[in-house]
Amino acid sequence: DTAVSQTPKYLVTQMGNDKSIKCEQNLGHDTMYWYKQDSKKFLKIMFSYNNKELIINETVPNRFSPKSPDKAHLNLHINSLELGDSAVYFCASSPSGQGVYQPQHFGDGTRLSIL
Amino acid sequence: AQTVTQSQPEMSVQEAETVTLSCTYDTSESDYYLFWYKQPPSRQMILVIRQEAYKQQNATENRFSVNFQKAAKSFSLKISDSQLGDAAMYFCAYRSPHSGGGADGLTFGKGTHLIIQP
Repeated sequence: DTAVSQTPKYLVTQMGNDKSIKCEQNLGHDTMYWYKQDSKKFLKIMFSYNNKELIINETVPNRFSPKSPDKAHLNLHINSLELGDSAVYFCASSPSGQGVYQPQHFGDGTRLSIL
Repeated sequence: AQTVTQSQPEMSVQEAETVTLSCTYDTSESDYYLFWYKQPPSRQMILVIRQEAYKQQNATENRFSVNFQKAAKSFSLKISDSQLGDAAMYFCAYRSPHSGGGADGLTFGKGTHLIIQP
């Protein structure tokens, strides 16, 4: 059983398009995250979200927006894609509160390529 | 804001030998959590080991152990009896128990690429 699943695994699109990446977790966690891994493998937090609070990394352009239809899903919408958005995007989840010691469980990543 | 530094972009070790990956971090907090994640070519992020800052005892998971030096803000990973399957990128990560001041997630180092020589 996949704990954190992301779709699609690969996404190739043209500059200026709008796209979405879906994420679902079946672990019962109440906090979900999006990370961006650039071409040099550097991982950086973009958002964290639970049913009470969205925390946004201030460096993330407002073209990126997380959408959560329910506790088990956190989708990532990207408008007006730019060349610099090419990266691997990881979804993750974990318990919140006292669960901060618990590791974050990651999806397999979505490789986004902008032509 | 916290920072995590991995000073070794790449390390190479002979199969069956021991290798140590270094990680230092900067924080003003007294309580926090540290993790090592492994990313093989398959791209998955796999937890290797974790450590709570208030625990003095170093964490151990089979062939993987850490040397946690809180005063020096150092958190190195030792891999004993290296195996071919250990070849991967290894990321050190920091997590604050408190949110705020930015997204509440892991702060990663830039990673160390570990090569296992047969």
